[in-house]
Amino acid sequence: EDQVTQSPEALRLQEGESSSLNCSYTVSGLRGLFWYRQDPGKGPEFLFTLYSAGEEKEKERLKATLTKKESFLHITAPKPEDSATYLCAVYGGNYGQNFVFGPGTRLSVLP
Amino acid sequence: DTEVTQTPKHLVMGMTNKKSLKCEQHMGHRAMYWYKQKAKKPPELMFVYSYEKLSINESVPSRFSPECPNSSLLNLHLHALQPEDSALYLCASSQQSGSADTQYFGPGTRLTVL
Repeated sequence: EDQVTQSPEALRLQEGESSSLNCSYTVSGLRGLFWYRQDPGKGPEFLFTLYSAGEEKEKERLKATLTKKESFLHITAPKPEDSATYLCAVYGGNYGQNFVFGPGTRLSVLP
Repeated sequence: DTEVTQTPKHLVMGMTNKKSLKCEQHMGHRAMYWYKQKAKKPPELMFVYSYEKLSINESVPSRFSPECPNSSLLNLHLHALQPEDSALYLCASSQQSGSADTQYFGPGTRLTVL
C-alpha cells in the first residue's frame, strides 16, 4: 500500500542546532516529491520540488535531498523564524491525480 | 509571481446560511484545487478543476458546491454546513493537473460553523 510518513512528529531545537527531518514514502513510480512550510493558520508555502533520486536543492538554511525511499530536509543553524510545520507531499504511483501529504513535522526553534 | 489569493480570510456562519469562498490566481495555471485542513492534520483534497472543468470530487458532501467561472477564479459555495465542517479551506493552483507540477497554495479561509 502506498504511504507517506514523516518523522519526527515534533522537534525542538536550540537556535543554531542543525538537524534533519525525514519523509519516507512507499510508492511505485514516484514522479515528484514536494516540501512545504506551513505557519499556524496559514497556507502551505512551497519550498522545494525533487523529481529523481540523488537530486538536491538548497535555499538559505534548508537543503532537501531525495533517495529512492525517502527525502530529508536538512536545517543548518536554524533560527526561531524557522519554527513551523514542514509538510512533504508525493505524486505518482497509485495516487492518480492527487498529491498525498505526509502528516508533517512540527519544528520549534528556541532562542 | 506565485500568488494565490483567497477571500475572505475568516468566515463565521450559521448552519442555515449560504456563503461563498473565493480564490484567484494570475499565473496562467490551468488546474485549481480546493483542500480542507483540520488542526494539526495535513490538507485533504476536496475538488480538482482542470481547464475549468471538474475532474475530481473526493466524495465531498453536496453542501459544498465548487464553481470555476474562468481559468483564474475558483469559488466554493457553502450551504447548510455542520459544525464539523469548521476548518481552514485552502485553494491551490498548478500548471496542469494529473502531473507532477508544483501546487501553489493561497493563505486560506478560516471557516467557523456555529
